[in-house]
Amino acid sequence: GAVVSQHPSRVICKSGTSVKIECRSLDFQATTMFWYRQFPKQSLMLMATSNEGSKATYEQGVEKDKFLINHASLTLSTLTVTSAHPEDSSFYICSASRGFDEQFFGPGTRLTVL
Amino acid sequence: GQQLNQSPQSMFIQEGEDVSMNCTSSSIFNTWLWYKQDPGEGPVLLIALYKAGELTSNGRLTAQFGITRKDSFLNISASIPSDVGIYFCAGRSTSGTYKYIFGTGTRLKVLA
Repeated sequence: GAVVSQHPSRVICKSGTSVKIECRSLDFQATTMFWYRQFPKQSLMLMATSNEGSKATYEQGVEKDKFLINHASLTLSTLTVTSAHPEDSSFYICSASRGFDEQFFGPGTRLTVL
Repeated sequence: GQQLNQSPQSMFIQEGEDVSMNCTSSSIFNTWLWYKQDPGEGPVLLIALYKAGELTSNGRLTAQFGITRKDSFLNISASIPSDVGIYFCAGRSTSGTYKYIFGTGTRLKVLA
């Protein structure tokens, strides 16, 4: 149990385009989902926390208009990187939680902006 | 953002040796999680700890929730080549938040 999927696993896009990443909890209902960003050889940095049906809470320094998060259901959250630029290239990972317990991570999405 | 201090940063060990790593915080936590991440993949949960002093095992892995609630330890016994990867601790504070703070990671390499 506690499987989280992410799609796509890799995406390459041109500068200025928008990219949507999906995060799904496959066998449980996730009351909360989290989006992280990870640079090479670094730890995970939380970008935002989202609860189903409400607005996401963004961490300090994360532009909410650039990283749009939609938590449409208890099993799906999406992250849209708008007007992507090369500095947005990174490994984006989502996680899902059933409440005040463990977080289960998806496999990650490698974004490369040319 | 805030991070936990994890030690050591990296380590090379011989296959069969035991491994120890720890995570320390200036804040009190009420939950500690330990994850392993392979290159290009998401972290996989290894062990979850919920009570100060708790000692929990998962196969060859054993983790402990420090009594001060400001630290946690992970031990791997009789390491094997597939133990290679990056190990992260994550802690959640007592303030009722859903958020976890992640450690800086310990990169483990096992020499056959």
